[in-house]
Amino acid sequence: SAVISQKPSRDICQRGTSLTIQCQVDSQVTMMFWYRQQPGQSLTLIATANQGSEATYESGFVIDKFPISRPNLTFSTLTVSNMSPEDSSIYLCSKRDRGTYGYTFGSGTRLTVV
Amino acid sequence: DQQVKQNSPSLSVQEGRISILNCDYTNSMFDYFLWYKKYPAEGPTFLISISSIKDKNEDGRFTVFLNKSAKHLSLHIVPSQPGDSAVYFCAASAIGAGGTSYGKLTFGQGTILTVHP
Repeated sequence: SAVISQKPSRDICQRGTSLTIQCQVDSQVTMMFWYRQQPGQSLTLIATANQGSEATYESGFVIDKFPISRPNLTFSTLTVSNMSPEDSSIYLCSKRDRGTYGYTFGSGTRLTVV
Repeated sequence: DQQVKQNSPSLSVQEGRISILNCDYTNSMFDYFLWYKKYPAEGPTFLISISSIKDKNEDGRFTVFLNKSAKHLSLHIVPSQPGDSAVYFCAASAIGAGGTSYGKLTFGQGTILTVHP
């Protein structure tokens, strides 16, 4: 099955700073997805990252706060900008599994903002 | 607006018995449903899925049932094992909708399953 490497696995950051999360996939994919899981909540889609075009953001999420890069078909980054304690969450990247409608997720980045 | 709901935050069962996890949805455009299992400090792992053209899908100890008229699905685990203890997420997708909906998963809040030896 597909492998997704995500890093860092966790970080503690000062408010006002930014953190960039990296996601590497072992096979080329057109779309990658970034999710957030706030404490005790479900996973919520932040944006869809397409290679060669700007990311598509879901309602409530904006590019200035969560800029995304997609330089090639196997790599993407999500930056959490100007962090506040409310950004403390688990951030996960995902890709659709080839030939199915299933999705594989990275191991997640547990972010704590102090 | 929670389009996918898992109303039971937690479930506790004895090893060897059946675990039944429930999920309700409101969006009639959803046509593909998935169950994921998540251990702490790991990403969700895919368990089983079902298309809206079916009412049952079975894979080993895991069976998913779909009742479209009730907009309800359930995951049955038989027999339950202590290693099944994890958070289970129900997710839904509108494959046929295409466009910006394609590829988007909408998740429920999750149910913490604890299987006691």
